[in-house]
Amino acid sequence: DAKTTQPPSMDCAEGRAANLPCNHSTISGNEYVYWYRQIHSQGPQYIIHGLKNNETNEMASLIITEDRKSSTLILPHATLRDTAVYYCIVRVAHGSGNTGKLIFGQGTTLQVKP
Amino acid sequence: DSGVTQTPKHLITATGQRVTLRCSPRSGDLSVYWYQQSLDQGLQFLIQYYNGEERAKGNILERFSAQQFPDLHSELNLSSLELGDSALYFCASSVQATQETQYFGPGTRLLVL
Repeated sequence: DAKTTQPPSMDCAEGRAANLPCNHSTISGNEYVYWYRQIHSQGPQYIIHGLKNNETNEMASLIITEDRKSSTLILPHATLRDTAVYYCIVRVAHGSGNTGKLIFGQGTTLQVKP
Repeated sequence: DSGVTQTPKHLITATGQRVTLRCSPRSGDLSVYWYQQSLDQGLQFLIQYYNGEERAKGNILERFSAQQFPDLHSELNLSSLELGDSALYFCASSVQATQETQYFGPGTRLLVL
């Protein structure tokens, strides 16, 4: 699975959009980008994933660059409850011999401030 | 609420002891994963089971073992506990063995004194 690089921490004002970057320059063509978050020692929570097209769900949007070497997770209107560690994970989706294990890096600690 | 349940929530024990952590996956999920989160190591994958069979192993110590039962719940057994085993232990589940989207339980906080 490709390695990801994320800034260790970011701040965001409440109500504003939070844009969390992730670099994955060695990503392969069959690897997806996943985002999870962990709110203060709770179990990690799935947010969104994508392959090459931009994706949006009720929680966030995922923007993947055309060369797929980086992506941005966007929380459109951050609230204090979005304060968490955000993990960007790159991995193959399906395939024989593959497992579902997730490899977590250090993530980005997002602090949403009032 | 992810639908994954873990018991107990907290566990305090002494060095050298043995404990069992229990996980019930979401209804319909066949795959169960165990992760350990300690302050210095972050979130680390330990082991995966799929429909009762071991599917993948990560950085799991020989003192640790796991199994998945016919009703698909899983147990993680930790023996000869050391101070360094103090950590949060998370269970996650997914529909298939290679399913990307995993749903995590609330975790068991283990403190070894």
